[in-house]
Amino acid sequence: DIQMTQSPSTLSASVGDRVTITCRASQSINTWLAWYQQKPGKAPNLLIYKASSLESGVPSRFGGSGSGTEFTLTISSLHPDDFATYYCQQYYSYPYTFGQGTELKIK
Amino acid sequence: QLQLQESGPGLVKPSETLSLTCTVSGGSISSTSYYWGWIRQPPGKGLEWIGIIFYSGSTFYNPSLKSRVTISVDTSKEQFSLKLSSVTAADTAVYYCVRQGYSYGYIDYWGQGTLVTVSS
Repeated sequence: DIQMTQSPSTLSASVGDRVTITCRASQSINTWLAWYQQKPGKAPNLLIYKASSLESGVPSRFGGSGSGTEFTLTISSLHPDDFATYYCQQYYSYPYTFGQGTELKIK
Repeated sequence: QLQLQESGPGLVKPSETLSLTCTVSGGSISSTSYYWGWIRQPPGKGLEWIGIIFYSGSTFYNPSLKSRVTISVDTSKEQFSLKLSSVTAADTAVYYCVRQGYSYGYIDYWGQGTLVTVSS
């Protein structure tokens, strides 16, 4: 299985901050990576696919980059609604696997 | 708008079989563009991909669960189902049914999730 490792596990930030979350794959996954946002008690929601493509309806302050084994999710200016947990997922090979999550907290 | 809705018992005894059904509305389960699948999330933990099924019945399972998992589809009812046998407390989780693209592997629709607790 491909292991996905996110860093940091927890991130404290303020409204208006620029934040970056990193996701590393244990082997190359090309750009077959997605990012999801999950709020407490809710299902995850797709933000980014193919490493850098923004899902329809997702605000443009969200951006993704990377290829191979290292990827980043950047939120350019945090809104109050962005405090949540973020997961990366590889869909290069089965079984598809997720990172352990990054909890974004209000500072 | 596509909707996925999980249903099934919220409490299962150890060693028994967990059974869940997902009903698809607002779209066709027989589409050749999508797989239908299950993801689970133990309380306070991360996400685990369980497996997927195509409308024709072809499946892919997570090897870590493969010996205990069966996913099936009933196109006439626009439903697909999950069976997980010989459950233990480690199988306690929120179970989500999802839609995954056939030509792309990310998940673009999720059900609301249902908590299944394994306890005697």
